[in-house]
Amino acid sequence: ETGVTQSPTHLIKTRGQQVTLRCSSQSGHNTVSWYQQALGQGPQFIFQYYREEENGRGNFPPRFSGLQFPNYSSELNVNALELDDSALYLCASSRGTSRLTENNEQFFGPGTRLTVL
Amino acid sequence: QKEVEQDPGPLSVPEGAIVSLNCTYSNSAFQYFMWYRQYSRKGPELLMYTYSSGNKEDGRFTAQVDKSSKYISLFIRDSQPSDSATYLCAMSNAGGSYIPTFGRGTSLIVHP
Repeated sequence: ETGVTQSPTHLIKTRGQQVTLRCSSQSGHNTVSWYQQALGQGPQFIFQYYREEENGRGNFPPRFSGLQFPNYSSELNVNALELDDSALYLCASSRGTSRLTENNEQFFGPGTRLTVL
Repeated sequence: QKEVEQDPGPLSVPEGAIVSLNCTYSNSAFQYFMWYRQYSRKGPELLMYTYSSGNKEDGRFTAQVDKSSKYISLFIRDSQPSDSATYLCAMSNAGGSYIPTFGRGTSLIVHP
């Protein structure tokens, strides 16, 4: 098990509602990345936060927003939920933003399963 | 065409078989090539990665990269039922922040 935790585990919402997902990063990590994994697909990068600032964003609309707190935990907020937002939302933490090394691996949490009806 | 293509399977093999998992890609800028394993109801975990071309071996796992063909492979020797999972390939550029592009994953079933 990694030290990355996510809450809640499962969530059911209806179309048009708003949702907040939470992630606690592994101790010593200052970077959190969020991914959306639709059923049968690989994770797609949503955005990354480094020391409380957004540090890169994938091809997702502005209704996907985030925050990172001084303790490096993070939130993902999705407004005006659509049916296609149903997916597993993963967060991953790392020591920094730079290239992958043995000392800078991304560790994933177990994810939050969001269902939009 | 997606940047990273991966056959979703499922791939079913008997215990002890050699498993070959593959991905193709289109972005020549990719320099880091990763393989993740994802068990059901879990997040992905990094198995191994290589930089640029070549082979890398770690126990029963061997990763190969052929940049000229834009083709990467993961071989699993002496496969075990505990290897049953979805295997995701991922790739990233060398510069800037580490932001991987994932394939859709191949479901592997190793039956006793």
